[in-house]
Amino acid sequence: GENVEQHPSTLSVQEGDSAVIKCTYSDSASNYFPWYKQELGKRPQLIIDIRSNVGEKKDQRIAVTLNKTAKHFSLHITETQPEDSAVYFCAGRHAGGTSYGKLTFGQGTILTVHP
Amino acid sequence: EAQVTQNPRYLITVTGKKLTVTCSQNMNHEYMSWYRQDPGLGLRQIYYSMNVEVTDKGDVPEGYKVSRKEKRNFPLILESPSPNQTSLYFCASSLSVPIQETQYFGPGTRLLVL
Repeated sequence: GENVEQHPSTLSVQEGDSAVIKCTYSDSASNYFPWYKQELGKRPQLIIDIRSNVGEKKDQRIAVTLNKTAKHFSLHITETQPEDSAVYFCAGRHAGGTSYGKLTFGQGTILTVHP
Repeated sequence: EAQVTQNPRYLITVTGKKLTVTCSQNMNHEYMSWYRQDPGLGLRQIYYSMNVEVTDKGDVPEGYKVSRKEKRNFPLILESPSPNQTSLYFCASSLSVPIQETQYFGPGTRLLVL
């Protein structure tokens, strides 16, 4: 089945710096890759997603890049702010066969932005 | 208000006592899913449902059951809970896979099995 590895597990940056979180996936048939943000004590919320027919997607200070050949995708946050501090999860969705619709998450990255 | 609700929010039970965690959404979503969240392991999918009467196993289905008799409800059943099922559980729904896949999560249910 699909395996999604996420790195680093913790990331500490100064306000204004950039942050990058990377995920690799094993199932070459996966075609949808969302990123969720979970603030302390709250539920996860989608911040950005990308499909396999797109190499990059950007939304203000957040961008995601996808390398299908290498089977990895990354979240980029520029000009980080203290409110960006949270746990970030990547995920990959199976695209076919009996597991169509199954979503596998990475282990999460705790991002801390220091003022 | 569009939302996903879960009940109960907190539950303490004993090993072997059957329990059900309810999940309901009012957004007419086709896709619903259950996850458990444990420290260091992220979110792991237990079961998902692409539509009414269609359910499939996620990555960690052992010890759980689900049903999808109506579009809005997707209960999670633990027939004989064990301490290793102590966890934070989230229900989520999305409009349709692959048309609109943004998942909306419920508030979570914290379960302790003694």
